[in-house]
Amino acid sequence: QSALTQPPSASGSPGQSVTISCTGTSNDVGGYDFVSWYQQHPGQAPKVIIHAVNKRPSGVPDRFSGSKSGNTASLTVSGLQAEDEADYYCGSYADSNNPHVLFGGGTKLTVL
Amino acid sequence: QLLLQESGPGLVKPWETLSLTCSVSGGSITDHRYHWGWIRQPPGKGLEWIGSVYYDGKTYYNPSLKSRATVSIDTPKSQFFLNLRSVTAADTAVYYCARDAGGSTSDIWGQGILVTVSS
Repeated sequence: QSALTQPPSASGSPGQSVTISCTGTSNDVGGYDFVSWYQQHPGQAPKVIIHAVNKRPSGVPDRFSGSKSGNTASLTVSGLQAEDEADYYCGSYADSNNPHVLFGGGTKLTVL
Repeated sequence: QLLLQESGPGLVKPWETLSLTCSVSGGSITDHRYHWGWIRQPPGKGLEWIGSVYYDGKTYYNPSLKSRATVSIDTPKSQFFLNLRSVTAADTAVYYCARDAGGSTSDIWGQGILVTVSS
């Protein structure tokens, strides 16, 4: 099964907002409210920053927000900071007949 | 706090079986709220979900790896395991174990272990 589709790169200046998209199908992103977003800095394990489409775990700044429309989920980072420069991955629950998780290919976010 | 730690060989020969252990400490592996999963990341590439196991042994797998992967659990030892058979160079990756909080959410991750497939 194909991975979810993310743009390979995104960028913004400090203080600006940037949105990263994650496109799937009705069998994954569009079919369930189980989309997560992960932030990964070089050499580190991924860290969940959004789960269940738009919920932030404790300790994650409210500059990070998630949404979904149809088969596309989005992560918005507002008020960009230098430490937001990282790789971002979306993940989605897929296929209730054979439950599994799909990830996107990842987006490299550069803070200019 | 809950910690996960991967262990196993860092080098596996082609066509052999990759075997990894994840040791869970600081919390209960029998907590009914969670599954326990494996995720891998080839060098310079993205994440790939491999599979997960519940405390009762029920498993779920990535359809693309289901024929080669086995995930299992030993609750008294607070460990879960990954076996991946008939490996090739394409299986070279950092392998992470993680706590699966449901949906698509892995909320606690191990540090990862690099496994290289090479003769």
